[in-house]
Amino acid sequence: DTAVSQTPKYLVTQMGNDKSIKCEQNLGHDTMYWYKQDSKKFLKIMFSYNNKELIINETVPNRFSPKSPDKAHLNLHINSLELGDSAVYFCASSPQNTEAFFGQGTRLTVV
Amino acid sequence: RKEVEQDPGPFNVPEGATVAFNCTYSNSASQSFFWYRQDCRKEPKLLMSVYSSGNEDGRFTAQLNRASQYISLLIRDSKLSDSATYLCVVFPARRDDKIIFGKGTRLHILP
Repeated sequence: DTAVSQTPKYLVTQMGNDKSIKCEQNLGHDTMYWYKQDSKKFLKIMFSYNNKELIINETVPNRFSPKSPDKAHLNLHINSLELGDSAVYFCASSPQNTEAFFGQGTRLTVV
Repeated sequence: RKEVEQDPGPFNVPEGATVAFNCTYSNSASQSFFWYRQDCRKEPKLLMSVYSSGNEDGRFTAQLNRASQYISLLIRDSKLSDSATYLCVVFPARRDDKIIFGKGTRLHILP
């Protein structure tokens, strides 16, 4: 059983499209995150949710909108995709401010 | 001082050698500290927690120095399979503060 699973694993799409990445965790954790890892391999937090409540919203374009229907899911919707959005997006979850567990990542390529 | 700073490497060391990484952090109120390992094109995975009293797990030893605000990771008798990027991770004291990932130190173990 995969603890944190995200889909799709690979996503190739054209500029201007709207796409979603789904994330689910079966660990019972209260907190979920979205991270972006760019070509320089720097892992940067985008959003953090705790029990469906938005806790952290870093300086991310408002084309990125997270949605948490319940505490086990945190989806990421991206509007009007741009070339610079190409990166690997990781979902993660953690219990109360302790170690985070990551999904396998979604490699997004915008062409 | 940057929030979390690591030497990016790469460290190229022969198999069997001992290698040490350091990481410094700027927020003295930070609560928890971890080392993560990330293999190429994979998600980060927890390697070990870091405590002031030191933490040893087989060939790996992690140490926290709160006074100087740095953490360290020592790998003894390095194996080829230790080749990866090692990420220093700092968790905040407050729930609405973000988890900070270092940019990682690349390690190559040479046969």
